[in-house]
Amino acid sequence: GAVVSQHPSRVICKSGTSVKIECRSLDFQATTMFWYRQFPKQSLMLMATSNEGSKATYEQGVEKDKFLINHASLTLSTLTVTSAHPEDSSFYICSAPRTGTDTQYFGPGTRLTVL
Amino acid sequence: AQRVTQPEKLLSVFKGAPVELKCNYSYSGSPELFWYVQYSRQRLQLLLRHISRESIKGFTADLNKGETSFHLKKPFAQEEDSAMYYCALNPSNTGKLIFGQGTTLQVKP
Repeated sequence: GAVVSQHPSRVICKSGTSVKIECRSLDFQATTMFWYRQFPKQSLMLMATSNEGSKATYEQGVEKDKFLINHASLTLSTLTVTSAHPEDSSFYICSAPRTGTDTQYFGPGTRLTVL
Repeated sequence: AQRVTQPEKLLSVFKGAPVELKCNYSYSGSPELFWYVQYSRQRLQLLLRHISRESIKGFTADLNKGETSFHLKKPFAQEEDSAMYYCALNPSNTGKLIFGQGTTLQVKP
């Protein structure tokens, strides 16, 4: 089956620093990837759609300048949390549909803790 | 508004008992609905989708447009079914999933 990886799996950073999270489709190409965040004991909330070769589209209420998304290749999307603050602490999950299908494959998630 | 509601946070049953995890949706168009499962310490994975009308691991889900529901059912629960289950809506075939709050299924021996 298709595999999506995320790196790092967990990161702890100081307030004010920036953190980059990578999402890779390991054995298939993905022109589109999705970024979700999940607060403890809550559901996944879509943050943005990452589009290869073009700008990401953000959901209402998500600050595009705070959550920078770059989809530089057909197998890699990155989410950079800029000037992170404790309220950004969350579980960030990416997903990617194999091109031509509607089946979403999820990454294992990245636990971000901002001190 | 597009919304998915799973009214039960936790469903606890004994092994061999029937299971029904409830899911209701709010969507004006023709819905594309999924059930995803997350086993302990594992990533989210697709369990089944309404389009395929298949049975996976003994689970089935029928779309009821009249009741705007997509409940997940299994006649005889197994301990290995213990996991978190999410119902999700893909509006307008965009790939952007709207998730319900999730239901933890606990199957006791």
